[in-house]
Amino acid sequence: SQKIEQNSEALNIQEGKTATLTCNYTNYSPAYLQWYRQDPGRGPVFLLLIRENEKEKRKERLKVTFDTTLKQSLFHITASQPADSATYLCALDSLGGSYIPTFGRGTSLIVHP
Amino acid sequence: EAGVTQFPSHSVIEKGQTVTLRCDPISGHDNLYWYRRVMGKEIKFLLHFVKESKQDESGMPNNRFLAERTGGTYSTLKVQPAELEDSGVYFCASSQDLRADEQYFGPGTRLTVT
Repeated sequence: SQKIEQNSEALNIQEGKTATLTCNYTNYSPAYLQWYRQDPGRGPVFLLLIRENEKEKRKERLKVTFDTTLKQSLFHITASQPADSATYLCALDSLGGSYIPTFGRGTSLIVHP
Repeated sequence: EAGVTQFPSHSVIEKGQTVTLRCDPISGHDNLYWYRRVMGKEIKFLLHFVKESKQDESGMPNNRFLAERTGGTYSTLKVQPAELEDSGVYFCASSQDLRADEQYFGPGTRLTVT
């Protein structure tokens, strides 16, 4: 079955630096990959979607790359701010290209002032 | 515009009891989804309604879980009888179209079964 791996250890960085989070997957070739942000006590909030034929996508300070050969996506936040501190979830389309996402466990990002 | 709301925010019940969770989707959203996150695991899909019909209930763990969406507006998820392993956070999401990038999640209901 498909497996999504995100670093379980929190990523601690200084304000102003670029945060890079990794999502690896196995046993699957997704049609798309998504990144969500989740704050404590809240539901996930959709950030970006990148399709299998796209290598990179940007939105303001966010950048996502998608390497289908390495089966990996990188999520970058440039000029990070303490307000960016949250858990970031990677999600793939479910088997068959469905609109239902399959989530990873997420990585916590802590940006220190 | 109001977002997806869920009630209650937290529920603590004893094993064997019944609990009903409620989700109010964004007005006009025909699609409503239930997800669950148990401790230490990832968020997992439970089921999907299109209006009042169950489109996909492949993620429902067993027949102790019953979801309804009478009238195609709000939805309830009943757990009867609750077991310890049902503890977790139950999320509801809604969308207007069938697109993965347009699901809006509620804040979740934290269920604790003791």
